[in-house]
Formats: sequence, structure tokens, C-alpha cells
Amino acid sequence: KAGVTQTPRYLIKTRGQQVTLSCSPISGHRSVSWYQQTPGQGLQFLFEYFSETQRNKGNFPGRFSGRQFSNSRSEMNVSTLELGDSALYLCASSLVDREGNEQFFGPGTRLTVL
Amino acid sequence: ILNVEQSPQSLHVQEGDSTNFTCSFPSSNFYALHWYRWETAKSPEALFVMTLNGDEKKKGRISATLNTKEGYSYLYIKGSQPEDSATYLCAFTSSGGGADGLTFGKGTHLIIQP
Repeated sequence: KAGVTQTPRYLIKTRGQQVTLSCSPISGHRSVSWYQQTPGQGLQFLFEYFSETQRNKGNFPGRFSGRQFSNSRSEMNVSTLELGDSALYLCASSLVDREGNEQFFGPGTRLTVL
Repeated sequence: ILNVEQSPQSLHVQEGDSTNFTCSFPSSNFYALHWYRWETAKSPEALFVMTLNGDEKKKGRISATLNTKEGYSYLYIKGSQPEDSATYLCAFTSSGGGADGLTFGKGTHLIIQP
């Protein structure tokens, strides 16, 4: 079974631009969660999508948004990029919900904002 | 905002020795406690998902215990091997879900010295 894939793996943007990251979950997984990791911080929860609906959202500004498609693939968008948005963005999929089920993580997208 | 603390932050252990580290989490509204192993240049990998007080889970040389009443979990590694070198993350889920639904600690960085 193929694992979680994320594209692109690396991205360099400048302040003020916007970016879209993509995540393809494991086949059959309906829940996709997004996380941000910055130096010195643990994984910070961004949001979770299940059956094309945002089910939970972390404490991030509205510049961070996402969506999920009918095939469970998910995209995350960050508008008006700031230097502090430079981070590793991970997505994770699970069968039903993230809380009680183990999550399978993708390799991440390393975003650098200049 | 929920607080998940892991200690120690980093740990150097001789190959062959056993070791353990701690995850502390809020004892109220407990739903699940996850452990992940994150090796450099790889994706976080799920080790355990624990939901019941007194739970004890084992995978090879790695085991974990859970005390939901006092809000802590221990991860044990028996007879450490170089391949155990990684960052070990715990993540707490409250029954309230929402923005605090899955909160990660900052991890324990384990280095096994040959």
C-alpha cells in the first residue's frame, strides 16, 4: 500500500506570496490532518479534514486554509506569506478520525519564505 | 491551550542499556495518548495509541505505560540499539476535540552511542 505523499517536497517563496501544498492520503483513509513544525516548537496542529469537511481547526490565522476533495486528497493554502511561515508542513492521514487512530505521516513539505 | 510536556529534552544512552522517558499531559478530559518515533529525514511513525488507564503496550523492545489519573505516560526501550536513535513524540487528545484535539509535546531526542 502506498504511503502518504506530499508535494512539493521543497518550496521557496517570498513574503507576500501565497502557496498551495498538496497531500495524498493512504488509499481508504478519509481523515487528513495538517501540522506545522518550526525550529524549537513541537508539531502544531493546523486543521483536520474528513469527508471534504473541515472538522477541527488549530489556533492559526485565517491566512492558513485548506480543503479536501472527494478522493480524500487535501490541499493547504497559505496566503500573504510571512517570514515566520517558514517551516516543515506535515500532513497525516488516518482511517476515521485522528484522535483515537494512529496517524500515518507524509514526508513533509519544507517551505522557506525569504 | 493544553500543555504536553516531555522529559528529558535529549538523552544520550550507551548501546545495550535500557532507558525510559516521560510524557505529561492534562489528566482531565482524557481521550487518547499517542507515541511516535521520528527519525531524521523520515516521517514520524506511530508506535502506540493508548486509551485506557493502566494500558501497557509493547512492540519489540519498546513498551509504554499509561496513567490517565495522574496524567503521565512512560516509554521504555530495552537494550538500546543505534537504530533506536530518533526523536520520540507523544501526543495527547482530549475528549473535547476541537483546536486542542491533538497536542504534541516537543519530543525527547534520543541518541544511542555505540
